[in-house]
Amino acid sequence: DTEVTQTPKHLVMGMTNKKSLKCEQHMGHRAMYWYKQKAKKPPELMFVYSYEKLSINESVPSRFSPECPNSSLLNLHLHALQPEDSALYLCASSQDKIMGAFFGQGTRLTVV
Amino acid sequence: GQQLNQSPQSMFIQEGEDVSMNCTSSSIFNTWLWYKQDPGEGPVLLIALYKAGELTSNGRLTAQFGITRKDSFLNISASIPSDVGIYFCAGHDQTGANNLFFGTGTRLTVIP
Repeated sequence: DTEVTQTPKHLVMGMTNKKSLKCEQHMGHRAMYWYKQKAKKPPELMFVYSYEKLSINESVPSRFSPECPNSSLLNLHLHALQPEDSALYLCASSQDKIMGAFFGQGTRLTVV
Repeated sequence: GQQLNQSPQSMFIQEGEDVSMNCTSSSIFNTWLWYKQDPGEGPVLLIALYKAGELTSNGRLTAQFGITRKDSFLNISASIPSDVGIYFCAGHDQTGANNLFFGTGTRLTVIP
């Protein structure tokens, strides 16, 4: 299994809603990432978990809250988002900190 | 985060032509990665480079890790229509953290 699976594929939410994005990998990778990607831009790093511990938070607003319940799962909890938070949210995993990362297909998030 | 400059920004080529694109950073990187992204999809890892001077091929794709460890290039030979997409370089820097930074992207259009 060489896949990173993200759910849902599409999400529309209101500014007062609470929702969660989910990511799963069964490759035994110990680093997992959340990225945000706006149209025609490169992915921007949001969070990195290494061995289930948050190791990097690239100054992301608190309305985004990551969670790593175990080494295979990564969640991103969303609350009180703004329309400008609409983007493609990508999850990735890598064997360790120097290996290539594999990406999921992303969740297309629209905040209305 | 780190700044990775990728050039060219976009390319229009005839089917069958060779393509070359490169990526430079302001600091030393330990890993260079090349990804291709189709619209609405996650980036797909094409080639991973782990040593300065390393030259690696994957079918019609060839990439090299620059000797200075501050650059990398990707060549595509005999382009075909399905090569269309956005190509991103990415890399891990020397901080030892799991940061994976992305270049600005090269949009490739192949004219049949």
